Amino acid sequence: QKEVEQNSGPLSVPEGAIASLNCTYSDRGSQSFFWYRQYSGKSPELIMSIYSNGDKEDGRFTAQLNKASQYVSLLIRDSQPSDSATYLCAVNKNSGYALNFGKGTSLLVTP
Amino acid sequence: ETGVTQTPRHLVMGMTNKKSLKCEQHLGHNAMYWYKQSAKKPLELMFVYSLEERVENNSVPSRFSPECPNSSHLFLHLHTLQPEDSALYLCASSAGTGVYGYTFGSGTRLTVV
Repeated sequence: QKEVEQNSGPLSVPEGAIASLNCTYSDRGSQSFFWYRQYSGKSPELIMSIYSNGDKEDGRFTAQLNKASQYVSLLIRDSQPSDSATYLCAVNKNSGYALNFGKGTSLLVTP
Repeated sequence: ETGVTQTPRHLVMGMTNKKSLKCEQHLGHNAMYWYKQSAKKPLELMFVYSLEERVENNSVPSRFSPECPNSSHLFLHLHTLQPEDSALYLCASSAGTGVYGYTFGSGTRLTVV
């Protein structure tokens, strides 16, 4: 079983819609969860972190965590073409140094 | 300079060459990392340094050799690489462990010919 799993996509949504990105993880000892955005040819950029069950909102982004189901998601409201990128889910377990990454979900927002 | 800077941005090297990648962080962080990103694969952790001490390395071939002379600088020395080593090499830093996430550099796109 892969440690962090994401649907590779591409996920295509029209401009102005809500994009929903999902991630599951295998280690129940995981404590910290992150979403990174990576534009083509660029490096990953941290956009959200979440540590407790529930929702965390930052502008148009909402991260949702359910530790019982080992599930973390990212909602992007009012999607813009500039949101088109690959979104990487990352998980830190046991407060160690390593982040385990999923393969990423490619998001395409069409005008 | 701010954040995490990596040089060079692009590198083409032959299989018999020796080259080095450089990373510098200006964030006052005390941990630095090398990750490899290949197409269709998750980011792979290669090496972790905390306060200049190596704390993790994940079964990386000896043709990759890290060096951390101080908490702001990290190098990855490359020699006798293989074509399958072609990838994006990312440096990152963190304040403490990975609990608060990383800041990544812009990466080095390496092509081995």
